[in-house]
Amino acid sequence: EAAVTQSPRNKVAVTGGKVTLSCNQTNNHNNMYWYRQDTGHGLRLIHYSYGAGSTEKGDIPDGYKASRPSQENFSLILELATPSQTSVYFCASGDAQANTEVFFGKGTRLTVV
Amino acid sequence: GDSVIQMQGQVTLSENDFLFINCTYSTTGYPTLFWYVQYSGEGPQLLLQVTTANNKGSSRGFEATYDKGTTSFHLQKTSVQEIDSAVYYCAMRDYDSGYNKLTFGKGTVLLVSP
Repeated sequence: EAAVTQSPRNKVAVTGGKVTLSCNQTNNHNNMYWYRQDTGHGLRLIHYSYGAGSTEKGDIPDGYKASRPSQENFSLILELATPSQTSVYFCASGDAQANTEVFFGKGTRLTVV
Repeated sequence: GDSVIQMQGQVTLSENDFLFINCTYSTTGYPTLFWYVQYSGEGPQLLLQVTTANNKGSSRGFEATYDKGTTSFHLQKTSVQEIDSAVYYCAMRDYDSGYNKLTFGKGTVLLVSP
């Protein structure tokens, strides 16, 4: 069973503070993804990676950085958190082949006050 | 740029009704197309997938057919059940990103009453 673990599951941060969301996968997948989910917008891709050391901008990268130090770990970093970044964040992993499944974590609910 | 469009924000049905969720996409290459389902409190999970080679996918009574001419990939089920209540996302992996990038539509909330 593919496993993607996100931490923390819930986070309250102050405006202007730094937030790091962590993701770990034990599937040995090359690709990892960070999405945010908001009502009316669905799942929007923030950053993705196709291997250790690589990060690529997704569709809404502004205000976010990503780090892929190893095959297993992929972090999303908010250097200066803003209330507009209040959302549910999902990490996912998958193989690089076109027709393969992507596996999601359970999500992190972030509230910026 | 690449995009996936789901116009229906919410669909409300009764048990045994027919389900049809519209999805269209825009890309320059040959995509691989997916439907994901998200149950309350969980992350999305794969429901079915289609490549341009086989044109049709099915799973758990759901079907989707890829139509290159209309760039559509609609989801349908003959008879929905209350347990099908969830959020359904159409998604696409595009050729231009080497199939690395996975783009989702805005999702359709399905509510099925008994």
